[in-house]
Amino acid sequence: QVQLVESGGGVAQPGRSLRLSCAASGFTFTDYGMHWVRQAPGKGLEWVAIISNDGRNKYYADFVKGRFTISRDNSKNTLYLQMNSLRAEDTALYYCAKTGGYCGGGTCYANYWGQGTLVTVSS
Amino acid sequence: DIVVTQSPDSLAASLGERATINCKSSQSVLDSSNNKNFLAWYQQKPGQPPKLLIYWASTREFGVPDRFSGSGSGTDFTLTISSLQAEDVAVYFCQQYYGIPLTFGGGTKVEIK
Repeated sequence: QVQLVESGGGVAQPGRSLRLSCAASGFTFTDYGMHWVRQAPGKGLEWVAIISNDGRNKYYADFVKGRFTISRDNSKNTLYLQMNSLRAEDTALYYCAKTGGYCGGGTCYANYWGQGTLVTVSS
Repeated sequence: DIVVTQSPDSLAASLGERATINCKSSQSVLDSSNNKNFLAWYQQKPGQPPKLLIYWASTREFGVPDRFSGSGSGTDFTLTISSLQAEDVAVYFCQQYYGIPLTFGGGTKVEIK
């Protein structure tokens, strides 16, 4: 069965960095693009970034461009999100999610989600 | 960016009643080359991650009860729960995946009256 397990969240001061990881199992990791999606406490869902199955194509939400970097290590079945220059408004539960396959246009819906890892940005 | 607007923000219906949630995108999410609408619906129960219910606007994900159905095309979409069950209490989100950035609706909270 598909499993996605996020880690790396915690408390960080504004301006500092964190790296999130997402360990994937139960499917052929190299066949699927992957998302990061976040949810601030009590709020809705906010898409952050997507990476293609081979890691060549990456797309970001405007609010993280230049600060966050999505990457993957297909030899380790692991997805990453490097978060730099953190701001208070980045406080959220960060989910990794598997795409449903190839949908065209570099994006796709998310058919499996992890439980999330909480990032709190506070001084 | 494609703005996705859901309505209502919340609804309460009796067990067994029909519940309808609307989703409107600021531009068409229909790809005319394959006649597919790049629109998905998710269910999120308290303390849980979202769960995919519907993709391509009307294709039910494997294992999703058939009381859930999606319809619509272009810019206007609907999620219908034909007979509301207690386990359907959740927040429901629509999402367009036609354009970057992918965008979600604000969510609709469904409760039992």
